[in-house]
Amino acid sequence: DAKTTQPPSMDCAEGRAANLPCNHSTISGNEYVYWYRQIHSQGPQYIIHGLKNNETNEMASLIITEDRKSSTLILPHATLRDTAVYYCIVRVSQHNAGNNRKLIWGLGTSLAVNP
Amino acid sequence: GAVVSQHPSWVICKSGTSVKIECRSLDFQATTMFWYRQFPKQSLMLMATSNEGSKATYEQGVEKDKFLINHASLTLSTLTVTSAHPEDSSFYICSATPRAGGKLFFGSGTQLSVL
Repeated sequence: DAKTTQPPSMDCAEGRAANLPCNHSTISGNEYVYWYRQIHSQGPQYIIHGLKNNETNEMASLIITEDRKSSTLILPHATLRDTAVYYCIVRVSQHNAGNNRKLIWGLGTSLAVNP
Repeated sequence: GAVVSQHPSWVICKSGTSVKIECRSLDFQATTMFWYRQFPKQSLMLMATSNEGSKATYEQGVEKDKFLINHASLTLSTLTVTSAHPEDSSFYICSATPRAGGKLFFGSGTQLSVL
């Protein structure tokens, strides 16, 4: 079973903030929360990751609850190019073959940014 | 950031022929690369782990004689779909990480259509 739960789809108006939730109630202490997105017919793209503190980069912000059981990815000013499937994944920090085999991608959230 | 190049982007072939897909890490060395398959509206499924200089590790249910993987150098892994059939039509994606603990970078994917 997937270790994360995301809504299957969301809509957002262009220029507004898009807030994508993710539940990961069984996350372990050494697991990070990673977010990727996949634009149609392309490979996934890394967005952001965090352990317990909120994180921000040029693409997005990541808000992780204090109990770490859920998080929210925030796209502050969504554009049409942000229309994609967004994946929330939990994994340990050290990325090796064994850890990658354990990754469960799930179906993600299909975000539609509307003009 | 690190770049993974995948070629070709799409390929159409006749049933019974073989198709080779290349995955290159352009600005880093990757001792391990990963191959995924994605059917329409489904998530990424790991097919195999490609190890430089040794045999690939295949996931359960993936035929190693049908999906040949060669990782001859630290920057190149190839996936050959042998004797392709229409049910092999899918989106194939490779990924690599520059080092243990780093982010996972993905190729742009290859859409295979077998007629």
